[in-house]
Amino acid sequence: EVVLTQSPAALSLSPGEGATLSCRASQSVSSYLAWYQQKPGQAPRLLIYDASNRATGIPARFSGSGSGTDFTLTISSLEPEDFAVYYCQQRNNWITFGQGTRLEIK
Amino acid sequence: QVQLVQSGAEVKKPGASVKVSCKASGYTFTANAIHWVRQAPGQRLEWMGWINPGNGNAKYSQRFQDRVTITRDTSASTAYMELSSLKFEDTAVYYCARSLAAAGDSWGQGTLVTVSS
Repeated sequence: EVVLTQSPAALSLSPGEGATLSCRASQSVSSYLAWYQQKPGQAPRLLIYDASNRATGIPARFSGSGSGTDFTLTISSLEPEDFAVYYCQQRNNWITFGQGTRLEIK
Repeated sequence: QVQLVQSGAEVKKPGASVKVSCKASGYTFTANAIHWVRQAPGQRLEWMGWINPGNGNAKYSQRFQDRVTITRDTSASTAYMELSSLKFEDTAVYYCARSLAAAGDSWGQGTLVTVSS
């Protein structure tokens, strides 16, 4: 099983600041890495698929990069609605999710 | 617009089975895979398996291989996930999702399954 490890576990930032979230895979997942945002009581929402492709309707302030084992989700300037939990997910070898990064308002 | 509407919350006893439905609308049901993902309270998302609605072929995570069955009824545009031999730790929100982690990714609203004696 491919293990995805996200860092940091939690991140405390202010609106307007930039955020960088990381996801490391235990083995190469090529570019088959996605990022999801989840708010309390809601289903996850796809932000990025195949490492760097924004899903439909996702603002340009969200961007993804990386390949192989190391991936990054960057939020260029945080909006109040961006504070949530973010998960990475791979689909190169079955499907697994990371443990999540909680993005909190400072 | 694409919609996945799941069945309502369930309370089951340990050892019982639960069957959750996922009714699709707004697209051609047989054109896209349907996945099932669960999330226990405060835990990460966990993939359970998927089905090709076109031919009915299903594949399962090794973790659930012996307890989960995913089926579909094309006439009703509905997918089903049945989990047997329920344990307390199966208490979770169960989601269906279309085209997981690809263009067109859409999720149901989730179904809470509580296992309690």
